[in-house]
Amino acid sequence: QVQLVESGGGVVQPGRSLIFSCEASGFTFRNYFMHWVRQAPGKGLEWVAVIAYDGSNKYYADSVKGRFTISRDNSKNTLYLQMDSLRAEDTAFYYCARGGLINSGSFAFDYWGQGTLVTVSS
Amino acid sequence: DIQMAQSPSSLSASVGDRVTITCQASQDISDHLNWYQQRAGKAPKLLIFDASNLEPGVPSRFSGSGSGTDFTFTISSLQPEDSATYYCQQYDNVPSITFGQGTRLEIK
Repeated sequence: QVQLVESGGGVVQPGRSLIFSCEASGFTFRNYFMHWVRQAPGKGLEWVAVIAYDGSNKYYADSVKGRFTISRDNSKNTLYLQMDSLRAEDTAFYYCARGGLINSGSFAFDYWGQGTLVTVSS
Repeated sequence: DIQMAQSPSSLSASVGDRVTITCQASQDISDHLNWYQQRAGKAPKLLIFDASNLEPGVPSRFSGSGSGTDFTFTISSLQPEDSATYYCQQYDNVPSITFGQGTRLEIK
């Protein structure tokens, strides 16, 4: 079965960096677009970033552009999010989510990780 | 960015009730809209894609309709396990993707 397992969250000071990962299994990872979505505690969902199936294209929400970097290693079936210059407002649960299959045009997130909490605080 | 106005923000209904949630886009998004359910403490779950298509494995009491700017999500006969927050999500101007504010559904 499809599984997305995140790791690497935690508490970090403002201005510092953090990287976490999402390991995929149960499907052909290299054939899918992958996304990060976040949710501040008690708030709604915010799309963060997407990476193409082969890593060739990456797009970001304006709120994280220039500070966050999405990447993937298809040989390890793993998605990453590098977060730099962290701010208090980046405090959230971060979910990896599976997007569409190559050429599907789908932007429905059909599988999600369990979420990892990042707390930005001094 | 395309804004999604979701309403109501919360509602309370009884088991067996028919429940409707609406989402209005700030511009025409065709049928580029999905619906998700998020139970407390859990990750979101895809219920409806492309406005009206039921995700495999999702009970048929859930349905979606609409196109353009106005969309509706319906639970035909509310069940206790439907207590959750529901979100719409547009993907018309990809890669910019936005969610509605969410509707918290409580079972009386």
